[in-house]
Amino acid sequence: QSVLTQPPSVSAAPGQKVTISCSGSSSNTGNNYVSWYQQLPGTAPKLLIYDNNKRPSGIPDRFSGSKSGRSATLGITGLQTGDEADYSCGAWDSSLSAFVFGTGTKVTV
Amino acid sequence: EVQLVESGGGLVQPGGSLKLSCAASGFTFSGSSMHWVRQPSGKGLEWVGRIRRKGNNYATEYGASVKGRFIISRDDSKNTAYLQMNSLNIDDTAVYFCTRDTEAFDIWGQGTMVIVS
Repeated sequence: QSVLTQPPSVSAAPGQKVTISCSGSSSNTGNNYVSWYQQLPGTAPKLLIYDNNKRPSGIPDRFSGSKSGRSATLGITGLQTGDEADYSCGAWDSSLSAFVFGTGTKVTV
Repeated sequence: EVQLVESGGGLVQPGGSLKLSCAASGFTFSGSSMHWVRQPSGKGLEWVGRIRRKGNNYATEYGASVKGRFIISRDDSKNTAYLQMNSLNIDDTAVYFCTRDTEAFDIWGQGTMVIVS
């Protein structure tokens, strides 16, 4: 039922960079803020990015967000083994009057 | 400490009902919209619904898969949100999280497991 499309997996070596795309439509990512969540195995999701590109207090600047048109991107630089997790994007969908999540991306370091 | 704690999960037969609670502490609960999100084992996050604050008339919205079966409510005097789940089916089996909505979902509970079998 996910409305937002993400790649199933991405991988890179420690210290390298990965980007994760999140593609939606004009009713969600195109006209509403995108947020990103990290979920380590067996734990609750954690907010990484909100309002497309803002980091909550305590989130390192290795994590960044951007948006262009209907697509958003999460970037992670200086990859660490502790970054191995599932990452999901999300946005409000104005047509559905519902919040929608991405399909999720597993990052392997 | 800002915290959300879910409770009430468990095993329920198809067609049955269950009520989850989400107890908040460390922040002004009455000023926050609260959401429920679920995650079946090994799968992605699915938004269940939300309840807005008093200033927005406690308005509720629901995801398509639960609309008409689930009801979200809140008691600001108890700093608690609730998820009443009715007519449960096996597809409702998941970990259920409550989360606070400020700029985004910035605070999450640890989750409570619901098994429909």
